[in-house]
Amino acid sequence: DQQVKQNSPSLSVQEGRISILNCDYTNSMFDYFLWYKKYPAEGPTFLISISSIKDKNEDGRFTVFLNKSAKHLSLHIVPSQPGDSAVYFCAAKVGSNYKLTFGKGTLLTVNP
Amino acid sequence: GAGVSQSPSNKVTEKGKDVELRCDPISGHTALYWYRQSLGQGLEFLIYFQGNSAPDKSGLPSDRFSAERTGESVSTLTIQRTQQEDSAVYLCASSPGTGGELFFGEGSRLTVL
Repeated sequence: DQQVKQNSPSLSVQEGRISILNCDYTNSMFDYFLWYKKYPAEGPTFLISISSIKDKNEDGRFTVFLNKSAKHLSLHIVPSQPGDSAVYFCAAKVGSNYKLTFGKGTLLTVNP
Repeated sequence: GAGVSQSPSNKVTEKGKDVELRCDPISGHTALYWYRQSLGQGLEFLIYFQGNSAPDKSGLPSDRFSAERTGESVSTLTIQRTQQEDSAVYLCASSPGTGGELFFGEGSRLTVL
């Protein structure tokens, strides 16, 4: 039972345009959400997070939006750069619990 | 280096053999996690260590899998009698404490022939 779903295995965008990566979850107990970025042959690295008490969190070119009623979050990258090409994982957890539940990831390709 | 270190980076083994994967966490990090990523899948939680507390082994897929950690140092993940479905990238992560940001290693890619 996939509690965190990333329904798009891949996404291709042009450099300078917006990239929107989507994530849905089914467990209503999740209240903290994270995005990780993974380059080939490297471990995932933390990108940005959001608590359920907020609906938006911004860090430079990266913004995460949370829609609790729809159990949906999205990561916006503006403007997209070729160096953003990587696999992006959405993850969620309950409170201060240590266990992260990950989605399957979305491969983002930013074309020059 | 200052990051999480894993070895070996690649391991090819024959079905039925035992393998041992090693993780060296960031110094001072009390929490250590093992995840695995099978082809086309997300990261699957395997086991969690926090200080000297009893580990959470709830994610281990079978009794062929075991892991140890001595104090707040190195951890080893052992897979006995490997099967082809064990082929995956095994990722170790550490964090300064419970619920903190996870810092991942580069992973150990296991291929079982």
